[in-house]
Amino acid sequence: GDSVTQTEGLVTLTKGLPVMLNCTYQTTYSPFLFWYVQHLNEAPKLLLKSSTDNKRTEHQGFYATLHKSSSSFHLQKSSVQLSDSALYFCALRGTGGYKVVFGSGTRLLVSP
Amino acid sequence: DMKVTQMPRYLIKRMGENVLLECGQDMSHETMYWYRQDPGLGLQLIYISYDVDSNSEGDIPKGYRVSRKKREHFSLILDSAKTNQTSVYFCASSAGQGTEVFFGKGTRLTVV
Repeated sequence: GDSVTQTEGLVTLTKGLPVMLNCTYQTTYSPFLFWYVQHLNEAPKLLLKSSTDNKRTEHQGFYATLHKSSSSFHLQKSSVQLSDSALYFCALRGTGGYKVVFGSGTRLLVSP
Repeated sequence: DMKVTQMPRYLIKRMGENVLLECGQDMSHETMYWYRQDPGLGLQLIYISYDVDSNSEGDIPKGYRVSRKKREHFSLILDSAKTNQTSVYFCASSAGQGTEVFFGKGTRLTVV
């Protein structure tokens, strides 16, 4: 079945530094990939999505590029802010399916 | 205003009691989901509903059942709750393939 792997459970950074959160996936279908962000005691919200190979997608300073050759959709930001502290989930939906599979999540903590 | 509403937000139940978690959406989405969130495990799919009375097991359906009698409502039922069902439960909905999944604010269930 479909699966998503996020290798980092916790990433701690100082404000202003760049960040990359890893996401790899497995599916037999053509994939839709998503990044969701969840702030403390809130619902997960969509941050980015893509189904186009090798095309960068951006939102709120975050960006990601779907690479089907390596089954990856890493999330990046050039300069993190204190408000970026949150739990980030990578998610996958295979084309033709309705099931959305989530990774285990990466908690990003940004310090002053 | 696009919204997924969950009730109640917090719930404490004794082991062996029945639990009903309710969810509504105002977007006429066909597909609805129930996930549970546990630390380090991300969001795990319990059930998915494709439309009224068209439900399918997710990855962890054991101990749960669902009901969808109207498109806008999707209920999660725990018959004889167990302590290992203590978790945060999220209801979600989406319009179709490749589209955003909208989440409710979650229900924090504690089974004592």
